Amino acid sequence: GENVEQHPSTLSVQEGDSAVIKCTYSDSASNYFPWYKQELGKRPQLIIDIRSNVGEKKDQRIAVTLNKTAKHFSLHITETQPEDSAVYFCAASSRGNNRLAFGKGNQVVVIP
Amino acid sequence: EPEVTQTPSHQVTQMGQEVILRCVPISNHLYFYWYRQILGQKVEFLVSFYNNEISEKSEIFDDQFSVERPDGSNFTLKIRSTKLEDSAMYFCASSANGAGATGELFFGEGSRLTVL
Repeated sequence: GENVEQHPSTLSVQEGDSAVIKCTYSDSASNYFPWYKQELGKRPQLIIDIRSNVGEKKDQRIAVTLNKTAKHFSLHITETQPEDSAVYFCAASSRGNNRLAFGKGNQVVVIP
Repeated sequence: EPEVTQTPSHQVTQMGQEVILRCVPISNHLYFYWYRQILGQKVEFLVSFYNNEISEKSEIFDDQFSVERPDGSNFTLKIRSTKLEDSAMYFCASSANGAGATGELFFGEGSRLTVL
């Protein structure tokens, strides 16, 4: 089955700097890659996703890039703010199945 | 905004006891899921449910686990005889479309199960 790996496990950034989290996946049939954010004590929530037919998607300060050849995708957060502090999970799934394979999560800490 | 709700938020049980975790998915969603996260580890897929039957399950979801949608609103996960290694946060999720069709998953806040 699909195996998703995330790194680094913890990332500390100064407020205003950028944060980048990378994920790799193993199944070349995967075609959908969402990112979920989980604040402390709260539920995971979708923040951005990308399909395999595009290489990049942006939503305000958040962007996701996909490299299908290398089988990795990255989350980019620009101009980080304290409220960006959370655990970020990447996931992958392929058309025809109903499971998302999640990574282990990255703890992002934005230092004011 | 509609939310997935889960009960209980935390349950402590003795090894060998049966546990039922309850979820109320978002009302117009068609796909329902259970995931679990052992402390410090990945969020792991357990099972997906569509059209009143299991559509997929992982190798974790063995005979000790079962799911049910007993009425039009609840979606339950039952663990028949809990083991220590079942201790985890269990997340319920629902989506309007299947995960493979890029249906956004809406998660509940989780039920923390502690098996002693």
